[in-house]
Amino acid sequence: RKEVEQDPGPFNVPEGATVAFNCTYSNSASQSFFWYRQDCRKEPKLLMSVYSSGNEDGRFTAQLNRASQYISLLIRDSKLSDSATYLCAVNPRGGKLIFGQGTELSVKP
Amino acid sequence: DAGITQSPRHKVTETGTPVTLRCHQTENHRYMYWYRQDPGHGLRLIHYSYGVKDTDKGEVSDGYSVSRSKTEDFLLTLESATSSQTSVYFCAISDLGQGASEQYFGPGTRLTVT
Repeated sequence: RKEVEQDPGPFNVPEGATVAFNCTYSNSASQSFFWYRQDCRKEPKLLMSVYSSGNEDGRFTAQLNRASQYISLLIRDSKLSDSATYLCAVNPRGGKLIFGQGTELSVKP
Repeated sequence: DAGITQSPRHKVTETGTPVTLRCHQTENHRYMYWYRQDPGHGLRLIHYSYGVKDTDKGEVSDGYSVSRSKTEDFLLTLESATSSQTSVYFCAISDLGQGASEQYFGPGTRLTVT
């Protein structure tokens, strides 16, 4: 089992839709969690850190479920500009950041 | 955007030649990282640095070496490039190590080994 797993997608959704991605991790002692966005042929850019209490930034909501060992990213009212690959990153206790392979999102008109 | 630059941005080289990639930051962050990104594998850590002259291996360090003589510069060297090292290389920085804080990435270097 991979340390961090994501559904690669692609997720094809219409504009205005709500879409959610999950990212599962294997190390129950993991302490830090992040979501990154990566556009085609560009570098990953930090989208959100994920806190235990969950956090929201505009149309984006990130949540952590420690019991089931996953983090989620919810995007409401999808825009064409949200089309990208979304990477999760997890820090196993005392270790380096481990990245998932990414979930591709395509928002269609 | 974090002040991170990488050079060169694109390079084509022949098998067996040495190649050095440079990462330069203006954020004065202590930690610097080199990743490679390949289809089907995602981002994989090659080497990282936790201070000047302090480096350690990552997940896929074979065939690569690094050096950090100044806080702002982190060099990745392929001693004798092979076709399997064709990839996109990203540098990243963070102010806390061990994955405790978010990492910020440079624009990447596309390396092709023929």
